[in-house]
Amino acid sequence: NAGVTQTPKFRILKIGQSMTLQCTQDMNHNYMYWYRQDPGMGLKLIYYSVGAGITDKGEVPNGYNVSRSTTEDFPLRLELAAPSQTSVYFCASGNRQTEAFFGQGTRLTVV
Amino acid sequence: GDSVTQMEGPVTLSEEAFLTINCTYTATGYPSLFWYVQYPGEGLQLLLKATKADDKGSNKGFEATYRKETTSFHLEKGSVQVSDSAVYFCAQERGRRALTFGSGTRLQVQP
Repeated sequence: NAGVTQTPKFRILKIGQSMTLQCTQDMNHNYMYWYRQDPGMGLKLIYYSVGAGITDKGEVPNGYNVSRSTTEDFPLRLELAAPSQTSVYFCASGNRQTEAFFGQGTRLTVV
Repeated sequence: GDSVTQMEGPVTLSEEAFLTINCTYTATGYPSLFWYVQYPGEGLQLLLKATKADDKGSNKGFEATYRKETTSFHLEKGSVQVSDSAVYFCAQERGRRALTFGSGTRLQVQP
């Protein structure tokens, strides 16, 4: 039972580079989310999706893009990495009957 | 906007001591409330939840009661163990299972 799987676990980017954080879930959840966790802070919602083909902005969407072409996958794209995007990123999934389940996180450093 | 405020840490206790971590929320209506726990190097795990006023969530000896009159959801445990050392997050649902988190409280339990 894999649950929510995020890759990579760690990544160092140079300023201006781009990358995609991958997230996949095998629980057939309609809802998926991306959060970021800055040191000593709670998680902030970046983007979320309530189903394939539907995405919405959360609290802190600037500098990120998402897509949801399948129920299982919800990748997060950083186009021009900035030091302010250094954070730990968590993907989560859920539905109307259950709470959110979280992945293990991706630690991203932008230098 | 909606927000969650929880007591700052770290909280340092001796084993078998009583634990209280305060949490208050601001939201219109009656959001579901949650406590999540994050062990070192891991993602967030749901600890307990309550979906309406006066509900008590409980799990692994932890309890929290949804108090509408004081807009609070304080976490308690009668006797903590070293294995309870972690960061605890209070959260409220903002719709579609997306969450607004508090800043987290680190608990350190000493033998």
